[in-house]
Amino acid sequence: QVQLVESGGGSVKPGGSLRLSCAASGFTFSDYFMSWIRQAPGKGLEWVSYISSRGSPIYYADSVKGRFTISRDNAKDSLYLRMNTLRAEDTAVYYCARVPAPYWHFDLWGRGTLVTVSS
Amino acid sequence: DIQMTQSPSSLSASVGDRVTITCRASQSISNYLNWYQQKLGKAPKVLIYAASSLQSGVPSRFSGSGSGTDFTLTISSLQPEDFATYYCQQTYSTLWTFGQGTKVEIK
Repeated sequence: QVQLVESGGGSVKPGGSLRLSCAASGFTFSDYFMSWIRQAPGKGLEWVSYISSRGSPIYYADSVKGRFTISRDNAKDSLYLRMNTLRAEDTAVYYCARVPAPYWHFDLWGRGTLVTVSS
Repeated sequence: DIQMTQSPSSLSASVGDRVTITCRASQSISNYLNWYQQKLGKAPKVLIYAASSLQSGVPSRFSGSGSGTDFTLTISSLQPEDFATYYCQQTYSTLWTFGQGTKVEIK
């Protein structure tokens, strides 16, 4: 079954850290760019980061650059997002998504994992 | 960063209506423009990629057009299952951005 499953969300205090994971199955993970997208409660979609099929290049939205790190393990069919120095405004549902070339759209999404940053 | 502006922010329409949503980029993005549909509590789903290519499995009542800075998503005959929020997204630059969304509601 072709799917993406996120995990690792939860509640954390401002300044804290969290690591999200995204497990891929049913397709050749190493063939695809992958991305993280988030959605704050009641708000629109915000692209966070993407990583190429081999791990470089990597790009981040300005809002998370320097605090978040995307990575992948093609041997484990897994995508990760390490989030440091978390802020209240990072509270959101975080989705991972598959990105086929060459038009770079998100053709497969996970169900998302909720991250809540609150004191 | 490239800014994406959708209009309108919301609209009310009836089943069977033709609906058009517009997306404008702050600079030319060629045809690197995608459209997504999101229903409440669900992950988004791609409808159109590369401005006018229909994603496999998406009904043909959805269509996209445009290039450069101005793009349009059209639903030719609105169905009950089409009431949702729609987002455009550009992937032309290295930093990708979404529009703010257009909520399509029942009239």
